[in-house]
Amino acid sequence: DARVTQTPRHKVTEMGQEVTMRCQPILGHNTVFWYRQTMMQGLELLAYFRNRAPLDDSGMPKDRFSAEMPDATLATLKIQPSEPRDSAVYFCASGSPTGAGYTFGSGTRLTVV
Amino acid sequence: DQQVKQNSPSLSVQEGRISILNCDYTNSMFDYFLWYKKYPAEGPTFLISISSIKDKNEDGRFTVFLNKSAKHLSLHIVPSQPGDSAVYFCAATARGNAGGTSYGKLTFGQGTILTVHP
Repeated sequence: DARVTQTPRHKVTEMGQEVTMRCQPILGHNTVFWYRQTMMQGLELLAYFRNRAPLDDSGMPKDRFSAEMPDATLATLKIQPSEPRDSAVYFCASGSPTGAGYTFGSGTRLTVV
Repeated sequence: DQQVKQNSPSLSVQEGRISILNCDYTNSMFDYFLWYKKYPAEGPTFLISISSIKDKNEDGRFTVFLNKSAKHLSLHIVPSQPGDSAVYFCAATARGNAGGTSYGKLTFGQGTILTVHP
């Protein structure tokens, strides 16, 4: 089965450090999302790409978060500097808008202490 | 502004009975709806979807009903099994505006924790 691969699976870092999360979307998928799961908000959309172009990053704190797709096989989400409130599980998903549903990766569990 | 709402944080059901999970939305542009299931330490997995041109879609034990006038959808699981215990997310998207920046963008509800007791 084709999979969306996210690395690392777990990350513990100190406040103020830079964190980079990576995602390898499924080959051929032209749409990539970054979501964050929190207890209160469920799945929050952070950023959204189509054909590697950013379409919507309105859910992302711009002063510290950045998302890029340097090529079709890699999407990155960077936090600099990280804060304890950023602790959450971050998911990447890929697919096509006309497909049945998007495929999610297993997530990166981030803990900022 | 929560455009997709799942007002029940949790639901507990006996094995063999029906589970009904509910979802409400506010954005009239949404025309395609999906349900995802999520187990702990895993990403959400796609379960079933429905287009706004339909009012029902069935796949085995899972049926999704859509009431457009009420902006409400529900997921029925019959019969419920212990392996169905998971978090269920409702999601919505607008596919009618191909090429727009919101095209294909998925908006999720907060999730409902389903527990099926043996």
